[in-house]
Amino acid sequence: DAGVIQSPRHEVTEMGQEVTLRCKPISGHDYLFWYRQTMMRGLELLIYFNNNVPIDDSGMPEDRFSAKMPNASFSTLKIQPSEPRDSAVYFCASSLANEQFFGPGTRLTVL
Amino acid sequence: QKEVEQNSGPLSVPEGAIASLNCTYSDRGSQSFFWYRQYSGKSPELIMSIYSNGDKEDGRFTAQLNKASQYVSLLIRDSQPSDSATYLCAVRRDKIIFGKGTRLHILP
Repeated sequence: DAGVIQSPRHEVTEMGQEVTLRCKPISGHDYLFWYRQTMMRGLELLIYFNNNVPIDDSGMPEDRFSAKMPNASFSTLKIQPSEPRDSAVYFCASSLANEQFFGPGTRLTVL
Repeated sequence: QKEVEQNSGPLSVPEGAIASLNCTYSDRGSQSFFWYRQYSGKSPELIMSIYSNGDKEDGRFTAQLNKASQYVSLLIRDSQPSDSATYLCAVRRDKIIFGKGTRLHILP
């Protein structure tokens, strides 16, 4: 199995631009999680889906952030417009039971 | 009060010694407890899970849970330089909450 796949691995953009992060979970996993990691705040859960349905988006910082899961094999996290304080590593993880498997992450830099 | 608390470290331990990592949590309804290891620049990797009071051993790793004290620990026996990483404690009730992690440095 290829594991959780994320793209892009690195993204550098300018303030105000739209950013879309992509995730392909492990086949058969019914939960998908989006996290953000910074030195200051650690690893924060943004949103998670169960069977493609958003269950808890209370961690989404602002309306500038949105996430979708149109099918069991694909999810996106969009930031529009982006701001410098959004700079972080964004992880996607998937799980079938309790064990979460993380993707390699997307390092986002907003200038 | 932070939901999951860990000492940020760094915790320096001589090679071959026992490394002890600690974590406290605030939600008494928490039911699942996890330890993740994260190497610099990499993603977190699950190394231990524990669900009931007591000890759980897996190779050189032992997880300890005390729900009355709201305390979880991870012991690493015979520490190796490859154990140098950040260790994240995670606690789950409805959703999983991570601590900020403890940096562990094994001294050769």
